[in-house]
Amino acid sequence: SAVISQKPSRDICQRGTSLTIQCQVDSQVTMMFWYRQQPGQSLTLIATANQGSEATYESGFVIDKFPISRPNLTFSTLTVSNLSPEDSSIYLCSVEGTRADTQYFGPGTRLTVL
Amino acid sequence: AQSVSQHNHHVILSEAASLELGCNYSYGGTVNLFWYVQYPGQHLQLLLKYFSGDPLVKGIKGFEAEFIKSKFSFNLRKPSVQWSDTAEYFCAVNARAGKSTFGDGTTLTVKP
Repeated sequence: SAVISQKPSRDICQRGTSLTIQCQVDSQVTMMFWYRQQPGQSLTLIATANQGSEATYESGFVIDKFPISRPNLTFSTLTVSNLSPEDSSIYLCSVEGTRADTQYFGPGTRLTVL
Repeated sequence: AQSVSQHNHHVILSEAASLELGCNYSYGGTVNLFWYVQYPGQHLQLLLKYFSGDPLVKGIKGFEAEFIKSKFSFNLRKPSVQWSDTAEYFCAVNARAGKSTFGDGTTLTVKP
């Protein structure tokens, strides 16, 4: 299994600002994923981040709003830009397990936008 | 595109009652199926998974799920729930490595 940590665990931000969320994994992984869990809703995949290449975004998510970095095999950041109250969500980092069909999730970052 | 439907949004049970949470998915190809649990204040954890073989899979804490291919279902069961099972349960389908589609979740409240 993989141990995943995220920073910050929660934050309250003002409209129009940005928040960068960090994800650290205790082992090297090829693929890292960012999910969003809006209040009362399920998890939605935002993008897939591979080291050394541009992130791949799912339908409805764009790089200008959710820029992602993946500088090495154990770390990634997700920035949520130009915040609005609709961005209030829990953002989760996830990695692929040793078996490609298994995923592990970080504890999440709870973002509240005022 | 794959989708997942969980039938119950909120289930309330008394301790020792039996539990069954419904999950149906739509996808024409081979899928891998998961149930995740999120206890209050904790992060998402894998409860059990089905990749192939015996369609009845057993997970942690006495949970099991049955994959019925003809019904596109993967229902979660537990014969006797405990207060500590109070949590949110998510069914997920994965047809592309790492890219899971989640159901809306079912909140289970177990009364002591």
